[in-house]
Amino acid sequence: GENVEQHPSTLSVQEGDSAVIKCTYSDSASNYFPWYKQELGKRPQLIIDIRSNVGEKKDQRIAVTLNKTAKHFSLHITETQPEDSAVYFCAAPYTGGFKTIFGAGTRLFVKA
Amino acid sequence: EAQVTQNPRYLITVTGKKLTVTCSQNMNHEYMSWYRQDPGLGLRQIYYSMNVEVTDKGDVPEGYKVSRKEKRNFPLILESPSPNQTSLYFCASSPRSGAETQYFGPGTRLLVL
Repeated sequence: GENVEQHPSTLSVQEGDSAVIKCTYSDSASNYFPWYKQELGKRPQLIIDIRSNVGEKKDQRIAVTLNKTAKHFSLHITETQPEDSAVYFCAAPYTGGFKTIFGAGTRLFVKA
Repeated sequence: EAQVTQNPRYLITVTGKKLTVTCSQNMNHEYMSWYRQDPGLGLRQIYYSMNVEVTDKGDVPEGYKVSRKEKRNFPLILESPSPNQTSLYFCASSPRSGAETQYFGPGTRLLVL
């Protein structure tokens, strides 16, 4: 069935280290893969997204990679900073792009 | 300022008392959606709307109703709330579909006693 699996559920890194969060989706027709960041008590906000016609996209310290064959995509954060501490969600569209399924989230802790 | 607004932000109610959470966007977006967020379960889609008078079920529609009479508004209705509907609710909108950036409202925290 329709599903987005996200791992790990919790990730703790030292400031300056890299963090990687992975998601797997089930619908081969999905063509848009966003990542949202939710700080404590705030609403989710898009930080980066990728469409199925590219394999990688980068924006300063964050990057997303997509492997359509394996149906998984990953968020990479380099040189982590304490303000990167938040919950990160991946998502994928289903049913022709109208239904959206989110991963369960990854709580990232960046220790100073 | 482009935004999605929700009201109320916090609500405590009792089982069976009908309530409505309003959602409004000023970006002329066609697509709107409701999610609930529960610990360990992420964001789960309740209902979505592709345009005025066009709505469909998400993954967890039971116990909820929606309507889309105007493009800017997408209210969530709980006709007979139960304690298992205690949650944090987010409304979101995007220009045309779920395959684009979704802009979230500030959230509504609901407690059903």
